[in-house]
Amino acid sequence: GENVEQHPSTLSVQEGDSAVIKCTYSDSASNYFPWYKQELGKGPQLIIDIRSNVGEKKDQRIAVTLNKTAKHFSLHITETQPEDSAVYFCAATGAGSYQLTFGKGTKLSVIP
Amino acid sequence: DSGVTQTPKHLITATGQRVTLRCSPRSGDLSVYWYQQSLDQGLQFLIQYYNGEERAKGNILERFSAQQFPDLHSELNLSSLELGDSALYFCASSLTSTKQETQYFGPGTRLLVL
Repeated sequence: GENVEQHPSTLSVQEGDSAVIKCTYSDSASNYFPWYKQELGKGPQLIIDIRSNVGEKKDQRIAVTLNKTAKHFSLHITETQPEDSAVYFCAATGAGSYQLTFGKGTKLSVIP
Repeated sequence: DSGVTQTPKHLITATGQRVTLRCSPRSGDLSVYWYQQSLDQGLQFLIQYYNGEERAKGNILERFSAQQFPDLHSELNLSSLELGDSALYFCASSLTSTKQETQYFGPGTRLLVL
């Protein structure tokens, strides 16, 4: 089955700096890669996703890049703000599968 | 607010007991997914239902079962509970059952087995 590795597990940045979180996946047939943000005591919230027919997608301060050859995708957050502090999860949908396989998560702390 | 609701928010019970977690999907969504989140295993897919029928199974224990009712709400039944079943249980829903479809998560049920 699909395996998703996520790095780093924790990340601290100064407010206004950029944050980058990276994920690799094992199933070359995977074709859908969402990113979720989970705040304390809440469920995961979709922040951006990318499908295998595009290499990059942006939504204001958030961008995701996908390299299918290398089987990795990354989340980029620019001009970070304290409210960006949360745990971020990457996920992938493997071939022939409907469920999401998640990475272990990255705890992002934005220091004011 | 994703539109997915889950009850109860918290549940404390003893080993050997049985509990039922309930999920109502977003209006119009036909698929429901159940995930377990624990500190050591992360977020793991348990089971998916689409329009009342089981569609996919993940790492779901035999002591666990689920169903989706005609009104599309779903219940996850956990029996013969063990200490290791303590976790957050999330329900997610999506419009249909295609592979690239966005899943929207509920707020979760925190289960503590003592």
